[in-house]
Amino acid sequence: KQEVTQIPAALSVPEGENLVLNCSFTDSAIYNLQWFRQDPGKGLTSLLLIQSSQREQTSGRLNASLDKSSGRSTLYIAASQPGDSATYLCAVRPKTSYDKVIFGPGTSLSVIP
Amino acid sequence: GAVVSQHPSRVICKSGTSVKIECRSLDFQATTMFWYRQFPKQSLMLMATSNEGSKATYEQGVEKDKFLINHASLTLSTLTVTSAHPEDSSFYICSAREGTGANTEAFFGQGTRLTVV
Repeated sequence: KQEVTQIPAALSVPEGENLVLNCSFTDSAIYNLQWFRQDPGKGLTSLLLIQSSQREQTSGRLNASLDKSSGRSTLYIAASQPGDSATYLCAVRPKTSYDKVIFGPGTSLSVIP
Repeated sequence: GAVVSQHPSRVICKSGTSVKIECRSLDFQATTMFWYRQFPKQSLMLMATSNEGSKATYEQGVEKDKFLINHASLTLSTLTVTSAHPEDSSFYICSAREGTGANTEAFFGQGTRLTVV
């Protein structure tokens, strides 16, 4: 059974810092991995989608990497801003459950001005 | 990306009543739709998967008679919480996927905050 974990559960950093969020999954047989942002009381905003054949994806100040063999992904946020404060969720689409997306518990990020 | 619209965004209902939540794919045909539930400070938990024109597949522990899912068209799925109780208060999010290919992406609605009083 696929399980997704995220470390740390919460993170507080001063504005301007670069930071890394970690995601681990137990079964490397995945189609893709996706990072989302969720603001309090809101839905999900897709940030980056990495297909299983890819190693990384970049969008602006965000860079996500995928190491399928070790079951890990990182989300790198450069030059953090207070507006980046949110919960970040990673999710995998396992090959064993074709349609489903399995979410991690999330990392709550707070960027202090 | 494609747009998934969820309605209402917020609903308050009395205990014992039923509430219907709609999920629409606005610019694509959703072969498969998913319903998730999220408790405060927790992650999303998949409740059920539905394919157009067929019965939904529920995850273990989810009561299918309490959470009725209808996927009558390729652009609309509904979740009805029947005989709602305060413990059903939660954030419900739907997602929709066009096609079944390995590289297809699921798009998410903005969620519905249900409060049962």
